[in-house]
Amino acid sequence: GDSVTQMEGPVTLSEEAFLTINCTYTATGYPSLFWYVQYPGEGLQLLLKATKADDKGSNKGFEATYRKETTSFHLEKGSVQVSDSAVYFCALSDLAGSTLGRLYFGRGTQLTVWP
Amino acid sequence: DGGITQSPKYLFRKEGQNVTLSCEQNLNHDAMYWYRQDPGQGLRLIYYSQIVNDFQKGDIAEGYSVSREKKESFPLTVTSAQKNPTAFYLCASSINRGRGNREKLFFGSGTQLSVL
Repeated sequence: GDSVTQMEGPVTLSEEAFLTINCTYTATGYPSLFWYVQYPGEGLQLLLKATKADDKGSNKGFEATYRKETTSFHLEKGSVQVSDSAVYFCALSDLAGSTLGRLYFGRGTQLTVWP
Repeated sequence: DGGITQSPKYLFRKEGQNVTLSCEQNLNHDAMYWYRQDPGQGLRLIYYSQIVNDFQKGDIAEGYSVSREKKESFPLTVTSAQKNPTAFYLCASSINRGRGNREKLFFGSGTQLSVL
Protein backbone atom coordinates (compact mmCIF):
# COMPACT_ATOMS: atom_id res chain seq x y z
CA GLY A 1 0.00 0.00 0.00
CA ASP A 2 0.87 3.66 -0.04
CA SER A 3 3.28 4.87 2.61
CA VAL A 4 5.81 7.56 3.45
CA THR A 5 9.07 7.14 5.33
CA GLN A 6 10.89 10.16 6.64
CA MET A 7 14.07 10.50 8.62
CA GLU A 8 13.71 10.28 12.34
CA GLY A 9 14.47 13.27 14.45
CA PRO A 10 14.98 15.28 16.31
CA VAL A 11 17.17 17.45 14.12
CA THR A 12 19.04 20.22 15.90
CA LEU A 13 20.84 22.94 13.93
CA SER A 14 22.41 26.31 14.49
CA GLU A 15 20.92 29.33 12.78
CA GLU A 16 22.03 29.70 9.13
CA ALA A 17 22.91 26.02 8.83
CA PHE A 18 21.80 23.92 5.84
CA LEU A 19 18.81 21.67 6.36
CA THR A 20 17.90 18.37 4.74
CA ILE A 21 15.04 16.17 5.88
CA ASN A 22 14.83 12.95 3.91
CA CYS A 23 11.54 11.52 2.67
CA THR A 24 10.92 8.43 0.53
CA TYR A 25 7.61 7.02 -0.56
CA THR A 26 5.86 3.90 -1.79
CA ALA A 27 2.82 4.27 -4.02
CA THR A 28 0.91 2.16 -6.50
CA GLY A 29 -0.08 4.99 -8.82
CA TYR A 30 1.15 8.49 -9.58
CA PRO A 31 1.14 10.35 -6.32
CA SER A 32 1.30 14.00 -5.50
CA LEU A 33 3.82 14.80 -2.76
CA PHE A 34 3.63 17.35 0.03
CA TRP A 35 5.46 18.82 2.97
CA TYR A 36 3.38 20.09 5.85
CA VAL A 37 4.70 22.02 8.86
CA GLN A 38 3.30 22.05 12.40
CA TYR A 39 4.29 24.83 14.78
CA PRO A 40 3.93 24.21 18.54
CA GLY A 41 0.33 23.88 19.69
CA GLU A 42 -1.09 24.32 16.20
CA GLY A 43 -2.49 22.28 13.35
CA LEU A 44 -0.58 21.50 10.18
CA GLN A 45 -0.02 23.96 7.35
CA LEU A 46 0.85 23.12 3.77
CA LEU A 47 4.44 24.18 3.12
CA LEU A 48 4.95 23.04 -0.46
CA LYS A 49 3.86 20.43 -2.96
CA ALA A 50 4.78 18.75 -6.25
CA THR A 51 2.30 16.90 -8.43
CA LYS A 52 4.52 15.11 -10.98
CA ALA A 53 8.01 13.79 -11.46
CA ASP A 54 10.81 16.37 -11.61
CA ASP A 55 8.57 19.13 -10.26
CA LYS A 56 10.14 21.31 -7.60
CA GLY A 57 7.97 22.72 -4.85
CA SER A 58 9.20 25.80 -3.02
CA ASN A 59 8.01 28.17 -0.32
CA LYS A 60 9.60 30.37 2.35
CA GLY A 61 13.10 29.31 1.27
CA PHE A 62 12.28 25.60 1.50
CA GLU A 63 12.51 23.38 -1.57
CA ALA A 64 11.79 19.77 -2.46
CA THR A 65 12.12 17.97 -5.80
CA TYR A 66 9.92 15.04 -6.82
CA ARG A 67 12.36 12.28 -7.81
CA LYS A 68 10.54 9.34 -9.30
CA GLU A 69 13.70 7.32 -9.97
CA THR A 70 14.61 7.35 -6.28
CA THR A 71 11.00 7.68 -4.98
CA SER A 72 12.11 10.62 -2.88
CA PHE A 73 10.98 14.11 -1.94
CA HIS A 74 13.67 15.50 0.37
CA LEU A 75 13.09 18.86 2.03
CA GLU A 76 15.96 21.38 1.93
CA LYS A 77 16.68 24.91 3.09
CA GLY A 78 19.94 26.71 2.61
CA SER A 79 19.89 28.78 5.79
CA VAL A 80 17.53 27.96 8.64
CA GLN A 81 16.19 30.44 11.16
CA VAL A 82 15.03 30.03 14.75
CA SER A 83 11.47 30.59 13.49
CA ASP A 84 11.75 27.42 11.37
CA SER A 85 11.65 25.30 14.53
CA ALA A 86 8.65 23.00 14.06
CA VAL A 87 7.64 19.47 13.13
CA TYR A 88 7.79 18.70 9.42
CA PHE A 89 5.61 16.02 7.80
CA CYS A 90 6.07 14.47 4.41
CA ALA A 91 2.84 13.23 2.81
CA LEU A 92 1.53 11.70 -0.37
CA SER A 93 -1.79 11.56 -2.11
CA ASP A 94 -2.48 8.85 -4.65
CA LEU A 95 -5.66 9.39 -6.62
CA ALA A 96 -5.40 6.19 -8.64
CA GLY A 97 -8.73 4.44 -8.30
CA SER A 98 -9.88 6.83 -5.62
CA THR A 99 -12.41 9.64 -5.59
CA LEU A 100 -10.90 11.19 -2.53
CA GLY A 101 -7.43 12.67 -2.30
CA ARG A 102 -6.66 11.23 1.10
CA LEU A 103 -3.19 11.91 2.41
CA TYR A 104 -0.72 9.43 3.87
CA PHE A 105 1.62 11.11 6.36
CA GLY A 106 5.09 10.25 7.53
CA ARG A 107 5.88 10.21 11.23
CA GLY A 108 7.14 13.77 11.32
CA THR A 109 10.60 15.20 11.99
CA GLN A 110 11.13 17.64 14.84
CA LEU A 111 13.48 20.49 13.87
CA THR A 112 15.00 22.76 16.51
CA VAL A 113 17.12 25.72 15.45
CA TRP A 114 19.33 27.45 18.01
CA PRO A 115 20.45 31.07 17.70
CA ASP B 1 -11.54 35.27 8.38
CA GLY B 2 -12.26 31.79 7.06
CA GLY B 3 -10.90 28.81 8.88
CA ILE B 4 -11.46 25.72 10.97
CA THR B 5 -12.31 25.94 14.63
CA GLN B 6 -11.81 23.04 16.99
CA SER B 7 -13.06 23.03 20.55
CA PRO B 8 -12.23 22.55 23.27
CA LYS B 9 -8.45 22.92 23.16
CA TYR B 10 -8.06 20.53 26.10
CA LEU B 11 -10.49 17.80 27.13
CA PHE B 12 -10.44 15.23 29.89
CA ARG B 13 -12.33 11.96 29.82
CA LYS B 14 -13.26 9.74 32.70
CA GLU B 15 -13.34 5.97 32.40
CA GLY B 16 -16.47 4.76 30.60
CA GLN B 17 -17.41 8.21 29.40
CA ASN B 18 -18.15 9.34 25.85
CA VAL B 19 -16.82 12.73 24.83
CA THR B 20 -17.43 14.79 21.72
CA LEU B 21 -14.89 16.99 19.96
CA SER B 22 -16.23 19.86 17.91
CA CYS B 23 -15.03 20.88 14.46
CA GLU B 24 -16.56 23.78 12.53
CA GLN B 25 -15.40 25.30 9.23
CA ASN B 26 -16.54 28.37 7.31
CA LEU B 27 -14.44 27.71 4.22
CA ASN B 28 -17.36 26.18 2.31
CA HIS B 29 -15.34 22.99 1.92
CA ASP B 30 -17.11 19.78 0.99
CA ALA B 31 -14.68 17.28 2.54
CA MET B 32 -13.77 17.01 6.20
CA TYR B 33 -11.42 14.70 8.08
CA TRP B 34 -10.42 13.61 11.55
CA TYR B 35 -6.85 12.61 12.29
CA ARG B 36 -5.27 11.31 15.44
CA GLN B 37 -1.70 12.32 16.27
CA ASP B 38 0.43 10.33 18.70
CA PRO B 39 4.04 11.23 19.50
CA GLY B 40 6.40 9.68 16.97
CA GLN B 41 3.59 8.13 14.93
CA GLY B 42 2.51 10.90 12.64
CA LEU B 43 -1.13 11.32 11.68
CA ARG B 44 -3.60 8.50 11.31
CA LEU B 45 -6.97 8.92 9.62
CA ILE B 46 -10.01 8.16 11.80
CA TYR B 47 -13.00 9.17 9.66
CA TYR B 48 -13.63 11.34 6.64
CA SER B 49 -16.64 12.80 4.90
CA GLN B 50 -16.88 13.92 1.28
CA ILE B 51 -20.39 15.39 1.46
CA VAL B 52 -23.16 16.07 3.94
CA ASN B 53 -24.85 12.97 5.38
CA ASP B 54 -22.05 10.71 4.18
CA PHE B 55 -18.86 9.54 5.88
CA GLN B 56 -16.39 6.65 5.70
CA LYS B 57 -14.08 4.92 8.12
CA GLY B 58 -10.41 5.64 7.95
CA ASP B 59 -7.61 3.44 9.22
CA ILE B 60 -8.40 3.55 12.95
CA ALA B 61 -12.18 4.08 13.25
CA GLU B 62 -12.82 1.58 16.05
CA GLY B 63 -14.05 3.30 19.20
CA TYR B 64 -14.99 6.50 17.37
CA SER B 65 -18.15 7.82 15.74
CA VAL B 66 -18.96 10.87 13.62
CA SER B 67 -21.88 12.67 12.03
CA ARG B 68 -22.15 15.10 9.13
CA GLU B 69 -25.56 16.73 9.34
CA LYS B 70 -24.31 20.12 8.18
CA LYS B 71 -21.63 21.07 5.69
CA GLU B 72 -19.90 23.25 8.28
CA SER B 73 -19.74 20.72 11.10
CA PHE B 74 -18.09 17.33 11.61
CA PRO B 75 -18.11 16.36 15.31
CA LEU B 76 -16.13 13.36 16.54
CA THR B 77 -17.29 11.26 19.48
CA VAL B 78 -14.71 9.24 21.35
CA THR B 79 -16.65 6.39 22.90
CA SER B 80 -15.88 4.26 25.94
CA ALA B 81 -14.91 1.50 23.52
CA GLN B 82 -11.76 3.44 22.63
CA LYS B 83 -9.36 2.07 25.23
CA ASN B 84 -6.45 4.36 24.53
CA PRO B 85 -7.94 7.74 23.68
CA THR B 86 -5.15 9.98 24.92
CA ALA B 87 -3.88 11.81 21.84
CA PHE B 88 -3.94 15.06 19.91
CA TYR B 89 -6.93 15.17 17.54
CA LEU B 90 -6.83 17.23 14.37
CA CYS B 91 -9.74 18.15 12.14
CA ALA B 92 -9.15 19.18 8.53
CA SER B 93 -11.12 20.14 5.46
CA SER B 94 -10.57 20.45 1.73
CA ILE B 95 -12.34 21.29 -1.50
CA ASN B 96 -13.63 18.00 -2.83
CA ARG B 97 -13.05 18.49 -6.55
CA GLY B 98 -10.10 18.95 -8.82
CA ARG B 99 -6.68 17.41 -8.43
CA GLY B 100 -4.51 19.58 -6.24
CA ASN B 101 -7.49 21.04 -4.38
CA ARG B 102 -8.66 17.89 -2.64
CA GLU B 103 -5.15 17.24 -1.45
CA LYS B 104 -4.63 20.64 0.11
CA LEU B 105 -5.87 20.23 3.64
CA PHE B 106 -6.67 23.07 5.99
CA PHE B 107 -6.22 22.07 9.61
CA GLY B 108 -7.70 23.26 12.85
CA SER B 109 -5.47 23.90 15.86
CA GLY B 110 -6.35 20.59 17.49
CA THR B 111 -7.82 19.16 20.70
CA GLN B 112 -5.66 17.41 23.28
CA LEU B 113 -7.68 14.61 24.88
CA SER B 114 -6.47 13.04 28.10
CA VAL B 115 -7.88 10.30 30.31
CA LEU B 116 -8.36 11.02 34.02
